[in-house]
Amino acid sequence: QQPVQSPQAVILREGEDAVINCSSSKALYSVHWYRQKHGEAPVFLMILLKGGEQKGHEKISASFNEKKQQSSLYLTASQLSYSGTYFCGTGSARQLTFGSGTQLTVLP
Amino acid sequence: NAGVTQTPKFQVLKTGQSMTLQCAQDMNHEYMSWYRQDPGMGLRLIHYSVGAGITDQGEVPNGYNVSRSTTEDFPLRLLSAAPSQTSVYFCASSYSTSLRQVYGYTFGSGTRLTVV
Repeated sequence: QQPVQSPQAVILREGEDAVINCSSSKALYSVHWYRQKHGEAPVFLMILLKGGEQKGHEKISASFNEKKQQSSLYLTASQLSYSGTYFCGTGSARQLTFGSGTQLTVLP
Repeated sequence: NAGVTQTPKFQVLKTGQSMTLQCAQDMNHEYMSWYRQDPGMGLRLIHYSVGAGITDQGEVPNGYNVSRSTTEDFPLRLLSAAPSQTSVYFCASSYSTSLRQVYGYTFGSGTRLTVV
């Protein structure tokens, strides 16, 4: 079953922060995060494999709450290059199901 | 290191025609998947494979066939194209070394298919 992402879209000014949420009705064992720019393929950002785990990638980090079956992606001090659509993926390494995406636009 | 290579990049088909979308990876990844991407619907899994000779259906398999005769190649066949199959198709690959060592997916650049 497809994970649910919120919000569907967000518009920020450079330097502002954003949070993108991903939740599932099924038990989560891992969560992937990807970013896709317009006309390009999705690019892997990070994977979280256990509850409570937080990972970071420059100013982008994520948390994973296994009990609540949720993950959140945190973008701090947004840059223009952060614009794109963010997808979470849940499941296993063999079979990954993606949410419908969150479109992030960072304005100067 | 080419990663995941998809061909063709663009294709226009007439309703009822068949074709094969090619996908090859040179990273020795065991897992390979095909997704289609439609506006507002994210990436939907069509078929996936966990190794040579092993394939399984995803969320939206109808109208598509796959096979995996080698680790490197995972072609997707459209049996009789329909306008509803107009979409962008992505192939992806990944691997794991244990239950606790799982890695992200590498995507190909996509095939934009239009069925008229």
